[in-house]
Amino acid sequence: DAKTTQPPSMDCAEGRAANLPCNHSTISGNEYVYWYRQIHSQGPQYIIHGLKNNETNEMASLIITEDRKSSTLILPHATLRDTAVYYCIVRVGGAGNNRKLIWGLGTSLAVNP
Amino acid sequence: SQTIHQWPATLVQPVGSPLSLECTVEGTSNPNLYWYRQAAGRGLQLLFYSVGIGQISSEVPQNLSASRPQDRQFILSSKKLLLSDSGFYLCAWGQYNEQFFGPGTRLTVL
Repeated sequence: DAKTTQPPSMDCAEGRAANLPCNHSTISGNEYVYWYRQIHSQGPQYIIHGLKNNETNEMASLIITEDRKSSTLILPHATLRDTAVYYCIVRVGGAGNNRKLIWGLGTSLAVNP
Repeated sequence: SQTIHQWPATLVQPVGSPLSLECTVEGTSNPNLYWYRQAAGRGLQLLFYSVGIGQISSEVPQNLSASRPQDRQFILSSKKLLLSDSGFYLCAWGQYNEQFFGPGTRLTVL
């Protein structure tokens, strides 16, 4: 079973910010929050990850609550190409722990013109 | 830069036929490699992972096998396909914090 809970679907207007929530109430102190996305019929793509602090890169921002039980992925100016399924995953850091990723069904984000 | 290749992109096979899917990685050495399957409407399921040549770990019992004959080559095989083997097969390589996925092979078993 997935260790995270995400809404099954969301809509966003093109050019507006897309805020994707994720609940991970059982997260352990050494587990990171990772976000990937999967555009239809393609392999998943890494977006961002964080442990405690908020993180930002060229793709998105990750806001983690102080108790670390939930987080929000923010796409600041959504485009049509951001339409995809977004996966929120928690795992312990380290390359050897990639095999322990538990992939749920994610949130299907539709960006509308 | 690193790239990951998978082929074929799509495949339609009859029940009982053999299967061989190939994955190769460029631009990195001694990568951790992974095979996933994504059934329709389901999340990704890890099938196999490998930390080196000839080292394969299976995550779930199934009708499939994997081999790693070279450092950057990962092969998924079956001797006799089942209907339930249909799905989207993804190869990935991993470094510390990220996994990088190939384009995938969509397999339909009829």
